[in-house]
Amino acid sequence: EADIYQTPRYLVIGTGKKITLECSQTMGHDKMYWYQQDPGMELHLIHYSYGVNSTEKGDLSSESTVSRIRTEHFPLTLESARPSHTSQYLCASSALTDTGELFFGEGSRLTVL
Amino acid sequence: GQNIDQPTEMTATEGAIVQINCTYQTSGFNGLFWYQQHAGEAPTFLSYNVLDGLEEKGRFSSFLSRSKGYSYLLLKELQMKDSASYLCAVSDSNYQLIWGAGTKLIIKP
Repeated sequence: EADIYQTPRYLVIGTGKKITLECSQTMGHDKMYWYQQDPGMELHLIHYSYGVNSTEKGDLSSESTVSRIRTEHFPLTLESARPSHTSQYLCASSALTDTGELFFGEGSRLTVL
Repeated sequence: GQNIDQPTEMTATEGAIVQINCTYQTSGFNGLFWYQQHAGEAPTFLSYNVLDGLEEKGRFSSFLSRSKGYSYLLLKELQMKDSASYLCAVSDSNYQLIWGAGTKLIIKP
């Protein structure tokens, strides 16, 4: 049973608002990821981390930032939300081994009006 | 560029067998994953192949041919709960996952 949690599950906000999507895992995994996924589309990596104080941008250009101050916590922040940010955001984690499978959170569905 | 190709949608009958194909072109190869994703839910891990051949796990099997850049997921004795999207993902030379768009599998009674 995977222990990775995301909050909020659903969020509807207005344009220009600052939001933070929370992600926490209790498995002690070093690697953590944020993906964006639109319905019926592939997952796009927006940020990832290999451990505390390590953050990297993924292949999808995004006006978001992340931090990794603690192993278990990997929040994603949008400084100024826009309608184009409407999507599902999935957090995932894995062990450092090369064959580590990803464990996903249940996702945060964001709607920006 | 890197890309993963899978059929967009497939339909099968309850109790039957279905094979979902995945072809890939990536910079390097460090394994291929299959994930299942029910509508509105997060993906869950099904299988991992790094060597050529067939890996069997209950009703699900996954096959890999590295020389052909090809994999398939075989689902036997289909059940209605198998209706989901099936995602193929390849770990490239940097151990980053490249994801396919997924194959939506529809099971009919």
